[in-house]
Amino acid sequence: DTGVSQNPRHKITKRGQNVTFRCDPISEHNRLYWYRQTLGQGPEFLTYFQNEAQLEKSRLLSDRFSAERPKGSFSTLEIQRTEQGDSAMYLCASSSTNRGSNQPQHFGDGTRLSIL
Amino acid sequence: DAKTTQPPSMDCAEGRAANLPCNHSTISGNEYVYWYRQIHSQGPQYIIHGLKNNETNEMASLIITEDRKSSTLILPHATLRDTAVYYCIAFREFGNEKLTFGTGTRLTIIP
Repeated sequence: DTGVSQNPRHKITKRGQNVTFRCDPISEHNRLYWYRQTLGQGPEFLTYFQNEAQLEKSRLLSDRFSAERPKGSFSTLEIQRTEQGDSAMYLCASSSTNRGSNQPQHFGDGTRLSIL
Repeated sequence: DAKTTQPPSMDCAEGRAANLPCNHSTISGNEYVYWYRQIHSQGPQYIIHGLKNNETNEMASLIITEDRKSSTLILPHATLRDTAVYYCIAFREFGNEKLTFGTGTRLTIIP
């Protein structure tokens, strides 16, 4: 069990640029979640996948945001035309339902995005 | 998911038991109590969860009152590495699947 891996750990970009983050979940975890965390606040849910299907999206996920999990393994989160307000920590988590109940979500250490 | 209420901050002496309270007076019968913690610059770390019965694992113990309206997370022998923000979350399995974090309790372990 190597844990949830997120890349890059830090991303600095200019306003208006596109950015993409990657998340590799714990192997054999069929569920994958994206959260966003701003300074002083707890993480906020963005979206989640069961295998390759995206099952729920938060209202926080504007049209500039898109997430994919093409083969039900790793996932990418892309932000187009970044804005100052997108500066945050983007967290990925994974869990398994393979034992008949939803096991706890386990988080990666996130990607910290800074918009100049 | 039910709302939880936690004190914003607490201190505990190193080596003593840290008892972190959480109120969840509107919790429904099928909602679990989950605890996570977040050490600075890291992602949240799962600690423990329970439904009705008290639970213990290698990290902590979870005491849930009989009416399930409150719970206490116990770290039996706190160390400096336990300094973190602790989140108590009411979570319904096979519900809307998202963890709803509040602002948590910032626990500081004093040497």
